[in-house]
Amino acid sequence: QLQLQESGPRLVKPSETLSLTCSVSGDSLRNHQYFWGWIRQPPGRGLQWIASIYYSGTTYYDSSLRSRASISMDTSKNQFSLKLNSVSAADSAMYFCARASYNLGSAFWFDPWGQGTLITVSS
Amino acid sequence: ETVMTQSPDSLSVSPGERATLSCRASQSVSSLLAWYRQKPGQAPRLLIYGASTRATGVPARFSGSGSGAEFTLTISGLQSEDFGVYYCQQYNNWPLTFGGGTKVEIK
Repeated sequence: QLQLQESGPRLVKPSETLSLTCSVSGDSLRNHQYFWGWIRQPPGRGLQWIASIYYSGTTYYDSSLRSRASISMDTSKNQFSLKLNSVSAADSAMYFCARASYNLGSAFWFDPWGQGTLITVSS
Repeated sequence: ETVMTQSPDSLSVSPGERATLSCRASQSVSSLLAWYRQKPGQAPRLLIYGASTRATGVPARFSGSGSGAEFTLTISGLQSEDFGVYYCQQYNNWPLTFGGGTKVEIK
């Protein structure tokens, strides 16, 4: 059964870099059928897609976060990661990792999702 | 970006009744629309993709319809476990965007 688990520091200081890792079990990041991605949800609010990555290295980013976000993959560990630099309180949110499905010519829908990790940006 | 607008913001439905949730896109997304349900303290769960295809394990009482810019999620014969916030997501245009959600409560 596919499982995704987010990990990383829960508290990040303003202007510093948020770093998260998603550990995947039950599937390989090299599976050509899927991308992998990050989505966040500020407390009490809706969902925002952040970025997605393919095993070949192809990446996609939300345009509003592109300048600060970096998604990467370590296939030897079956993990993918997110770095978000110059964070502020507005980046405080639940961060989810997820497997991203696609069809030829389409972008992604997400299934399944990790349980999420709550990140707080505060001094 | 494609703005997804969901309505109503919330609805209260008695068990066994039908719930109808709407999702409108600011531009056409073809049939590239997904629906998710999120229960408190949990991650979203995929229900529908391709506007009308149920995900694995999703009961037949969930049905999706629509194309272009207007979509509907119907829950026929609502059950107590169907409470939660329902989100639509388009994946036709970059960036990927989600609606603001519809909260379904069991009356």
